[in-house]
Amino acid sequence: DQQVKQNSPSLSVQEGRISILNCDYTNSMFDYFLWYKKYPAEGPTFLISISSIKDKNEDGRFTVFLNKSAKHLSLHIVPSQPGDSAVYFCAASAANFGNEKLTFGTGTRLTIIP
Amino acid sequence: GAGVSQSPSNKVTEKGKDVELRCDPISGHTALYWYRQSLGQGLEFLIYFQGNSAPDKSGLPSDRFSAERTGGSVSTLTIQRTQQEDSAVYLCASSVTPNRGHEQYFGPGTRLTVT
Repeated sequence: DQQVKQNSPSLSVQEGRISILNCDYTNSMFDYFLWYKKYPAEGPTFLISISSIKDKNEDGRFTVFLNKSAKHLSLHIVPSQPGDSAVYFCAASAANFGNEKLTFGTGTRLTIIP
Repeated sequence: GAGVSQSPSNKVTEKGKDVELRCDPISGHTALYWYRQSLGQGLEFLIYFQGNSAPDKSGLPSDRFSAERTGGSVSTLTIQRTQQEDSAVYLCASSVTPNRGHEQYFGPGTRLTVT
């Protein structure tokens, strides 16, 4: 069963506008969430993370929001740029005292239209 | 500095053959993870190594899968008697320590195709 779900396989956004990528999870033990970005033929690269003690974390153009009651998080990119076109993976982990194995969603392909 | 490297980048093998996939983590990183991404799926955790501790093998899908990490550095993932459902991209990641806040750096992956 998919414990981390990204229900939108793809998203297209005009350059300069806001991109919103969504992620839902089912395992209430998850307490740390991350977003990774992946270009073709490359491995995923870390983008931003959030701990469950927070509901928002911001880093430049990227903001992650966490709604624990809804088991939902989202990544906002504003303004969107052509270089943001990539596949975005949501990931989660549960406190495991030294083993941060990640559970990933299936990814959302973001295309920024110039 | 050099990132995580994996070899080969692509591997095509016949069903029933054994394959070995290699991962060179970033120097000094103590934690090493293997994941795989099958078509249409998210990345799936396979196995985790930390220092000299016993590896966490809880994600390995069958006993045909095994992995080693020699000298706390290079790791090899071995799949015996490959099956078509083993076709996937196998990704290796390393981090400074396994603690959260220390991001996992991924290699480019090995695309395995079992015919």
